[in-house]
Amino acid sequence: KAGVTQTPRYLIKTRGQQVTLSCSPISGHRSVSWYQQTPGQGLQFLFEYFSETQRNKGNFPGRFSGRQFSNSRSEMNVSTLELGDSALYLCASSAVSGTTDTQYFGPGTRLTVL
Amino acid sequence: DQQVKQNSPSLSVQEGRISILNCDYTNSMFDYFLWYKKYPAEGPTFLISISSIKDKNEDGRFTVFLNKSAKHLSLHIVPSQPGDSAVYFCAASRSNFGNEKLTFGTGTRLTIIP
Repeated sequence: KAGVTQTPRYLIKTRGQQVTLSCSPISGHRSVSWYQQTPGQGLQFLFEYFSETQRNKGNFPGRFSGRQFSNSRSEMNVSTLELGDSALYLCASSAVSGTTDTQYFGPGTRLTVL
Repeated sequence: DQQVKQNSPSLSVQEGRISILNCDYTNSMFDYFLWYKKYPAEGPTFLISISSIKDKNEDGRFTVFLNKSAKHLSLHIVPSQPGDSAVYFCAASRSNFGNEKLTFGTGTRLTIIP
């Protein structure tokens, strides 16, 4: 079974631009969660989607948004990029919504904002 | 407000010895705890979990201990192997609240010295 895939793996943008990241969950998984990893902050939860509905949201500004398609693939969008948005963005999939189910992480997208 | 804390950013242990990684939490509503392991350029992988109804869970070389009164958990790896060198994240959730998100610590980088 293929794992969670994220594209692109690396991205360089400049301040003020916007970016879209993509995540394809494990086949059959309907829940996709997004996290931001920065040094010293660990993994911070962005949002979770299940069956195309946002089920949970972390404490990030409205510049961070996401969506999920009918095939469970998910995209995350960040508008008006700031230097502090430079981070590793990870997505994780699980079969059902709810964190007691094991989440499987993708390799992440490394975003650098200049 | 860091609700899950890993106060040791790094730890070095001799191969064959015991590695002990610590994690503290402040939210008394957390009742499900997980450990993830992360290699560079890969997403975190699930290691082991424990529910608050238990104080110990063992899986091969990995054992997690939970001390609810102290709001403390630890991961023991015995014996430590070079392949265990990675960043370890502890995470917590309120499992009975359905779609609760995972709250992660900031990670501890474990280095096993051959």
